[in-house]
Formats: sequence, structure tokens, C-alpha cells
Amino acid sequence: SQQGEEDPQALSIQEGENATMNCSYKTSINNLQWYRQNSGRGLVHLILIRSNEREKHSGRLRVTLDTSKKSSSLLITASRAADTASYFCATAGAGTALIFGKGTTLSVSS
Amino acid sequence: NAGVTQTPKFRVLKTGQSMTLLCAQDMNHEYMYWYRQDPGMGLRLIHYSVGEGTTAKGEVPDGYNVSRLKKQNFLLGLESAAPSQTSVYFCASSSPRSHSNQPQHFGDGTRLSIL
Repeated sequence: SQQGEEDPQALSIQEGENATMNCSYKTSINNLQWYRQNSGRGLVHLILIRSNEREKHSGRLRVTLDTSKKSSSLLITASRAADTASYFCATAGAGTALIFGKGTTLSVSS
Repeated sequence: NAGVTQTPKFRVLKTGQSMTLLCAQDMNHEYMYWYRQDPGMGLRLIHYSVGEGTTAKGEVPDGYNVSRLKKQNFLLGLESAAPSQTSVYFCASSSPRSHSNQPQHFGDGTRLSIL
């Protein structure tokens, strides 16, 4: 059963714009992770945010976590064509396996 | 840097045939996983292993078996393939500290079609 649900399912933007994806989940978590998947490839880990953290940055990525609302957002600033991919959130409770959402498909056009 | 390698990359089977998908990792990871990815469904966990000689069921284990005889290898078997098992299969591994607190490293998948 899916724990995380990404929103929107698909997002199309122009190069240079910011892209924001959201993830909502149902039960308490230990951490939340974001992954990227390029077409025909495996998932690549982007960032992990723990339940006691509210915001984390990595290069052009900014992740926020609101445990009271059971939601997270991934912001990609100054998007590039190479950011075109599917993005998945994955949640983990203490000692449990990751549960992945269905993903947001991001298209960045030049 | 090989990371996680899956073999084969593509395969077409007939209903009822059997096959084994191989996953190999060179990062000395304790934990390994098999997922399937279907359109609109995201990734679903089939089986996982927390160490050599151990396996456990995930969300969708029916119709699959696994073995972890060596730390670096995790095999996924289909004893009697069914069209519903047409999917893209991903293997992943993670470091030993805690399998829920560490990033997972993925292979590039095996695309399996069952006719």
C-alpha cells in the first residue's frame, strides 16, 4: 500500500523556472526521502530529511517537512532540461522498509 | 564504480516458464531489496534481505522467491511466470546501519514481459 502520495502527478515548466512537488503521507515516519528517476533508469537518491528536521538543502534542491500536516515538498530552483525526470518520495517508519509514492513527472522545456 | 548491477536487462517469457533475475552489488551493503514498478503504481516491495542467508516478504511477494546465498548477490525467481508479472524489476541495496534510515542504491532495472 502506498504511504506517500505526490502532487501534482505531472508538471511542465520552462527552463529557469522553479518546480515544486508535494508529498503527503498517512502515518508517523522516521524519515522521508526523495528520489529521481530518469527515463529507462533506476532511482537515484536525492535527499533524506529526518522527522526532527524542518528543512534541508542540497545544491538547487530544497526539501521541507511538516510532520503536523504529514507533508513534504521538494523545490528545484532554476530548473534545467536535465531535471526532466520522475520524482518520488519515500517514507520510512522506525525499522521498516521504505514505502514509495507514485511519483511526479517533471518536464522542463528549453 | 559498478554499484548495483542487474542481469538481464530485458527478457520475454511465455506463461508458465521460469527464470531468475540476478542482482549484484559491490558496496558491501547488508540490505538488499527487490521491487517491481508498474505504470501508475510506483514501486512496490517484493522481498528483501537484511543479510546473507536471510530473506523476508514485502508488500507483493506472491509468485516470487528469493535467495541471498552471498552477501553481494540477491536473486529473484519466478517459478511459473504469469502475464500479471509483466513489469520492470528493480534491485536496490543500502548500508548496514539501519535499512530505513539510509539511502537506497538502485540498479537500472530488468524489463520483463510475459506473453
